[in-house]
Amino acid sequence: AQKITQTQPGMFVQEKEAVTLDCTYDTSDPSYGLFWYKQPSSGEMIFLIYQGSYDQQNATEGRYSLNFQKARKSANLVISASQLGDSAMYFCAMREGLGGGGNKLTFGTGTQLKVEL
Amino acid sequence: DAGVIQSPRHEVTEMGQEVTLRCKPISGHDYLFWYRQTMMRGLELLIYFNNNVPIDDSGMPEDRFSAKMPNASFSTLKIQPSEPRDSAVYFCASTRDNNQPQHFGDGTRLSIL
Repeated sequence: AQKITQTQPGMFVQEKEAVTLDCTYDTSDPSYGLFWYKQPSSGEMIFLIYQGSYDQQNATEGRYSLNFQKARKSANLVISASQLGDSAMYFCAMREGLGGGGNKLTFGTGTQLKVEL
Repeated sequence: DAGVIQSPRHEVTEMGQEVTLRCKPISGHDYLFWYRQTMMRGLELLIYFNNNVPIDDSGMPEDRFSAKMPNASFSTLKIQPSEPRDSAVYFCASTRDNNQPQHFGDGTRLSIL
């Protein structure tokens, strides 16, 4: 079974609108972390936002927020006031467990976001 | 602060040749990771180190791949002999601890002809 599922291969959004990128995960570990990364066409991987499984509040970082629904095992990324520079591939990733063995990240297949004028 | 530094940025070589990819993690980061990104398989973890010691190499495809971390500021990923199916972007990433995000280098785009 896929540990991280991103069901939207591509998304379009108009500039200045908000967009939600979906991510669901599968784990039986009570301790885990969820990450979102952005990969523009230039290829680098840019960390955006992190949510820990025990965090009580949804994470926010500027225009990025994470809609964390633990019971549904979803961790959707919300980008508000989209900008042309937000056009990129977005990856959801999960780290399971604590300690040395728990530092591995499993990535989803990504969502290609295109922001239009 | 300098980020994760990878070299070379691009490498084109013929099959059968040895390829060495290099990585300098962020100073003070105890964990170092090597990933491979392809269209077919996405982003895959190959191996990771903690305090220069390999912890999990279960993602290393086969014996042709090897990775070392001789000190806290340098790691190599070697492919010998290289094959066309090794063509991919190879990323190095580092992090301070388990609850911190991994910071990625710009990657090495490897093409094996």
